[in-house]
Amino acid sequence: RKEVEQDPGPFNVPEGATVAFNCTYSNSASQSFFWYRQDCRKEPKLLMSVYSSGNEDGRFTAQLNRASQYISLLIRDSKLSDSATYLCVVNGGSTGNTGKLIFGQGTTLQVKP
Amino acid sequence: EPEVTQTPSHQVTQMGQEVILRCVPISNHLYFYWYRQILGQKVEFLVSFYNNEISEKSEIFDDQFSVERPDGSNFTLKIRSTKLEDSAMYFCASSESRVYNSPLHFGNGTRLTVT
Repeated sequence: RKEVEQDPGPFNVPEGATVAFNCTYSNSASQSFFWYRQDCRKEPKLLMSVYSSGNEDGRFTAQLNRASQYISLLIRDSKLSDSATYLCVVNGGSTGNTGKLIFGQGTTLQVKP
Repeated sequence: EPEVTQTPSHQVTQMGQEVILRCVPISNHLYFYWYRQILGQKVEFLVSFYNNEISEKSEIFDDQFSVERPDGSNFTLKIRSTKLEDSAMYFCASSESRVYNSPLHFGNGTRLTVT
């Protein structure tokens, strides 16, 4: 099983659509979970941390299921500017709490007018 | 908003040459990292650095790689004898701490091309 696995997509959606991305991780000791966004040939930028209780930031909602080792990201009312690659990121240290982040391959989203 | 800065943005070098990639982390951050991304592949951890020593390193970070914090602001990655497969985007990152959910802030990267 890959350390962090995502569907690479691409997801092609119209503006205003709701889209969901999923991710699974293999290290049950992981303590920290994030979604990062990466535009073409740019650095990863933190979109949001993911908390056990689930959390929302505007149009973005993240969920974590520790039992299933599963993370999700929901984007509502998609904008053209949401077009990017979304990276599922998990803390990968042996204690589950270091700066060693394990990145998924990323899911590409293309929002069309 | 404070940011991590990296120089140069693009470095071209010949195989076997030494390169030094430079980074200025966010000033109040204590933990520093290097990651790399080969074109079309995922971002990979190289090394973490705290209190003037390496905290953790990956299998990629072999004897050809070294890191240094030569002064209070810069953090460098040196590749002693570059190989073609070292061609990648190298990202520096920093964080305030390693506690739960302390996010990493990435610089805009140095594209290394080894010919």
